[in-house]
Amino acid sequence: DAGVIQSPRHEVTEMGQEVTLRCKPISGHNSLFWYRQTMMRGLELLIYFNNNVPIDDSGMPEDRFSAKMPNASFSTLKIQPSEPRDSAVYFCASTVQEPSNTGELFFGEGSRLTVL
Amino acid sequence: GNSVTQMEGPVTLSEEAFLTINCTYTATGYPSLFWYVQYPGEGLQLLLKATKADDKGSNKGFEATYRKETTSFHLEKGSVQVSDSAVYFCALQGGSEKLVFGKGTKLTVNP
Repeated sequence: DAGVIQSPRHEVTEMGQEVTLRCKPISGHNSLFWYRQTMMRGLELLIYFNNNVPIDDSGMPEDRFSAKMPNASFSTLKIQPSEPRDSAVYFCASTVQEPSNTGELFFGEGSRLTVL
Repeated sequence: GNSVTQMEGPVTLSEEAFLTINCTYTATGYPSLFWYVQYPGEGLQLLLKATKADDKGSNKGFEATYRKETTSFHLEKGSVQVSDSAVYFCALQGGSEKLVFGKGTKLTVNP
């Protein structure tokens, strides 16, 4: 079975450039999460969607970050313009959100972003 | 709000040593508790979970018991292997709230 698929796996870009990270959740999952992981700050939840609707974006660092989920099988996280401090590994995760949900998230392998 | 505190790493052990990684939590009500593991270069994956007090989660030789009286969910393994080297995250979920992760504890097991 296909897991959560993220692309690109690695991206190196220059400060000021636009970065778009992509995620395909597991088929049938209705909740999708974007996390950022750094050595200094650990794992941070940026935003999550339920049934394609953004529920909580309080973790999005600033207006340079935006996320969309146009349909149940695709989401993007965009950074424009990018800055060196955005360098991190960005993870997408999905799950089935329902009253009996016990919280298991399925993570992708991550997108490692380096902004020079 | 809900929070998780886990022991600072890194932890370095020799193969076959006993492992304990401490995790305590703060939450209202009766949260579900989890341990996730992240192997090098990979995303997190669920290791074990417990959904109510006194439950014991177990998987791959790891165990953790949900202790409501001490608000703890310590991870243990009797004999670690080199392949257990990874970062371990304690997490909780209260009701329909989002999952809250600890900062992670890096474990290195030497042969």
